[in-house]
Amino acid sequence: EIVLTQSPATLSLSPGERATLSCRASQSVSSYLAWYQQKPGQAPRLLIYDASNRATGIPARFSGSGSGTDFTLTISSLEPEDFAVYYCQQRSNWPPRVTFGQGTRLEIK
Amino acid sequence: QVQLQESGPGLVKPSETLSLTCTVSGGSVSSGSYYWSWIRQPPGKGLEWIGYIYYSGSTNYNPSLKSRVTISVDTSKNQFSLKLSSVTAADTAVYYCARDKSGSPKYGMDVWGQGTTVTVSS
Repeated sequence: EIVLTQSPATLSLSPGERATLSCRASQSVSSYLAWYQQKPGQAPRLLIYDASNRATGIPARFSGSGSGTDFTLTISSLEPEDFAVYYCQQRSNWPPRVTFGQGTRLEIK
Repeated sequence: QVQLQESGPGLVKPSETLSLTCTVSGGSVSSGSYYWSWIRQPPGKGLEWIGYIYYSGSTNYNPSLKSRVTISVDTSKNQFSLKLSSVTAADTAVYYCARDKSGSPKYGMDVWGQGTTVTVSS
């Protein structure tokens, strides 16, 4: 089973700063990694799929990179609404599994 | 625009079976382009995948829950459902349904329901 490890657990930054979140897979997932944003009381929202493609309606300040086992979500200049929890996720076709990282909480400094 | 809506009891007794339904609107659960998934989130914790179903009825489950989980689809009602048996307090969570593109695993879950809270308590 593929394990996704996110770091840091918590990231404290100020609006306008750049955020860099990491997700490491225990084995290669090629580019098949997605990122989600979750705000309190809300369902997760897809931000990035296939490691670097923004989902529909996602602002350009969100970008993803990486392949294989190491991935990064970057928010170029934090807006107040970006403070939330972020999860990475992968799905494998064989064996058929879906796994999520444990999440990174992005909080206002 | 596709929307998903979870429904079911908010309170389940220990050892009983949790049953939830996800209704699909604006699209069809019979589409061969998607897997229909269940994910849960215990209070204050992260996301846990439960399993998914294809319109044909083919399923895949999280190994840690497989012995207790059944996911089914009702194409006539445009719904898919989750049953989790022998529940304990550890099954208390917000339960989400979501859509995942079938075939290539690169697309992620692009549509989610709002979630429904299920508490296991006597």
